[in-house]
Amino acid sequence: AQSVSQHNHHVILSEAASLELGCNYSYGGTVNLFWYVQYPGQHLQLLLKYFSGDPLVKGIKGFEAEFIKSKFSFNLRKPSVQWSDTAEYFCAVTPPRVFGPGTRLSVLP
Amino acid sequence: DTGVSQNPRHKITKRGQNVTFRCDPISEHNRLYWYRQTLGQGPEFLTYFQNEAQLEKSRLLSDRFSAERPKGSFSTLEIQRTEQGDSAMYLCASSAPGLADNEQFFGPGTRLTVL
Repeated sequence: AQSVSQHNHHVILSEAASLELGCNYSYGGTVNLFWYVQYPGQHLQLLLKYFSGDPLVKGIKGFEAEFIKSKFSFNLRKPSVQWSDTAEYFCAVTPPRVFGPGTRLSVLP
Repeated sequence: DTGVSQNPRHKITKRGQNVTFRCDPISEHNRLYWYRQTLGQGPEFLTYFQNEAQLEKSRLLSDRFSAERPKGSFSTLEIQRTEQGDSAMYLCASSAPGLADNEQFFGPGTRLTVL
């Protein structure tokens, strides 16, 4: 079955540290890739997306992600995190419309 | 607020009872999705509508679950004979024409607790 894995369940960083959250998927065909974020008490919202073209995509709030087709990966990065980035981050793949289990990011002030 | 709305926000029911949830998508969004999310997991796809047509149903959607979108606007998700394993957050999302699948706007969810 197609799946999406996220390497870390919980990541704790200090403000200004760099962030990389891993995402791997198992589907072999053409896919669209997404990162969603859920801030405490808020709805899931789209952070960034990749459909085709430049494998390095930029999203909101300084986040970016790199699609590496050979590794079936779509890792999320941010050079310098802020306390306000504390949230849960979900990687998603379509098809077949599967979300990863999420990575909880805690940023310490 | 012009986002996706869901009602009720919380529902507590006894095992064996039927429950119904409502989702109002963003106006003019023709695609509507239902997901289930349990603690520590990402959303799991349940079903998908394009306008009033239910185009896809997950194997997770047992025969106790039914969803409708009769006029292509709001949608309802009904769970019959609820079981404790149905306890979860039920999320609705919508998407506009021209956006990719999974490029969705999520609602706040309905948290179901089955006692």
